[in-house]
This record gives sequence, C-alpha cells and structure tokens, in this order.
Amino acid sequence: DVKVTQSSRYLVKRTGEKVFLECVQDMDHENMFWYRQDPGLGLRLIYFSYDVKMKEKGDIPEGYSVSREKKERFSLILESASTNQTSMYLCASRSFSYNSPLHFGNGTRLTVT
Amino acid sequence: GESVGLHLPTLSVQEGDNSIINCAYSNSASDYFIWYKQESGKGPQFIIDIRSNMDKRQGQRVTVLLNKTVKHLSLQIAATQPGDSAVYFCAEHSRGDNFNKFYFGSGTKLNVKP
Repeated sequence: DVKVTQSSRYLVKRTGEKVFLECVQDMDHENMFWYRQDPGLGLRLIYFSYDVKMKEKGDIPEGYSVSREKKERFSLILESASTNQTSMYLCASRSFSYNSPLHFGNGTRLTVT
Repeated sequence: GESVGLHLPTLSVQEGDNSIINCAYSNSASDYFIWYKQESGKGPQFIIDIRSNMDKRQGQRVTVLLNKTVKHLSLQIAATQPGDSAVYFCAEHSRGDNFNKFYFGSGTKLNVKP
C-alpha cells in the first residue's frame, strides 16, 4: 500500500511565523501535491511537483512556496503565516501512469493565531 | 468551468442496507473518475476508480457505475457497516487538462445507523 506521511497532525503557529509542513511518500511516485481543505470550499490545489526540484503553481499558490529536494519528500512553506491560512493541509502523491489516483496523507491541521 | 457535484449532501442508512452515493460532472471530456472516503480527522482514502471506457467496476463491497450519457457517477456500498460512516467524494480528471489537475466534489456524508 502507498504510504504518504505528514510529519505533524496538528500545528499551532503565530501570525508572521515561518511554517514548514513536511510530507514523505514511500512509493517512488514522481508527482506530489499540496492541497488545503476548508469547509464549503472542498480541496484546493496549492502547488504540485512532477520531479525533483520541479514545481508548478496550483489554484491558490499565494502566500505559499514549496521545496522538493528529494523524490520522496515534498515540503510546503508558509513564509509569513496569516490567520486566513488556518486550514487542513493535505499532501498527496501519484505515479506517472495516466489513470492513477492521488494517494493522500492524513493531513496537518494548522491553526494560525 | 468544470464542476463535480453531489445530489445528496447527507445520507442516512440502516446498518446492513445498501448505500448509493451520487456525483454529477459537467465536462464531457472527463475520462477518469475516483471515489474517496474521508473519515473524521483523517485524509481521503482511495476506494475505487473507473475509466471512461467502462460503465461499471466492482471492488470489495463497492461498485462504481458511470453513465456518460447523463454525466453521472455513483458509488454503491453493499451491506453498509458502521465503519462506512464517513464523507465520500468523487474526483474527476479530463484528458484535455493538465496531467495533474483533478476536480473534486464537495462530498456526501454517510451516516450508518446501527
């Protein structure tokens, strides 16, 4: 089974702090993703990466950056956390096969105060 | 733009009954569909997927039906159990889109009554 592991289940940070969310997958997937999930808004794509050091903006990249130095690891960075970034953050991975699903981690619930 | 939606936001069923969760999509170019289960406090869990060249696919206690004529997708759960209580949502991918672009439905909450 694919395992996508997010380093923290819950985080509480202060406004203005720099926040790192870490994600590791164990299936050698080329593609990795960061989504945020908010009530009533569903899943929204922040960034994705299709290879080491490669990244593409999703639908809501503002206020975020990402890093992919190794194939198995994809980090989401909030340069200066704001209260509107309080959310559930979900990491996912996917193989390069066309008809392949996203596999999600268990999420990090971030609260910015 | 494309939309993936649900007919029923909440579904309550008796334990042992069959459940049917529905999803409508609007893009006729969509060619790959996925159902996810999300339990409270957890990430979405892959259940089953189906390609557009199929009408039906079965898994363990689950069946996905695809009706391309009316752009409708359904998930059937046989002999629903309390452990099936969760939010279920569909996801859709279109061949014309970016390889990594998926559209997600907002979800249906399934309550299984013992």
